[in-house]
Amino acid sequence: QVQLVQSGAEVKKPGASVKVSCKTSGYTFTSYYLHWLRQAPGQGLEWVGIIDPTGGSTTFAQKFQGRVSMTRDTSTRTVSMELSSLRSDDSAVYYCARANVLMAFDYWGQGTLVTVSA
Amino acid sequence: EIVLTQSPGTLSLSPGTRATLSCRASQTVSSSYLAWYQQKPGQAPRLLIYGASSRATGIPDRFSGSGSGTDFTLTISRLEPEDFAVYFCHQYGGSPLHTFGGGTKVEIK
Repeated sequence: QVQLVQSGAEVKKPGASVKVSCKTSGYTFTSYYLHWLRQAPGQGLEWVGIIDPTGGSTTFAQKFQGRVSMTRDTSTRTVSMELSSLRSDDSAVYYCARANVLMAFDYWGQGTLVTVSA
Repeated sequence: EIVLTQSPGTLSLSPGTRATLSCRASQTVSSSYLAWYQQKPGQAPRLLIYGASSRATGIPDRFSGSGSGTDFTLTISRLEPEDFAVYFCHQYGGSPLHTFGGGTKVEIK
């Protein structure tokens, strides 16, 4: 079965960087784009960006450009997202998610809580 | 940016009744790229409907989606106890590529 398993919770200080990973299994890794989204406490969902596991190309929401990077490792079927210059309002649960052909997110990781606090 | 506005914010209903959730877009959304998700506390969202009206794998037929253009609806025909949750609509297209509505909470009356 399809599974996306994310790395554990992180606590960071303002200005630091965080890297969250997402290990996939149960499907052909290069057949589906993978996305990162986030959800602040009690808030809605916000799209961060997308990575093509085949070639590694990325597209980010303008809000995060310059602060975010995404990489993939085809040997371990893992994608990672790094967010730098962290601020308190970056505190959120970060999700990786697979998109189907109609761009709906059909499988999700369990989420990684990132807390930014001095 | 395509803004999705969901209404009502909270829906208080009894089990066995019908729930109708609305999602209105600030610009025309392709029906192919409109989806609905259910989220329970402490869990990741779960895809219910994609392409405005197609049920995702394993989703019961009491869930249905409809609509086009700027107005979309999620209907739960008879609420089961496990259906009390928050529901989000989602669209693909424009910039940013993906946006979500603010959510409708369906709570037990």
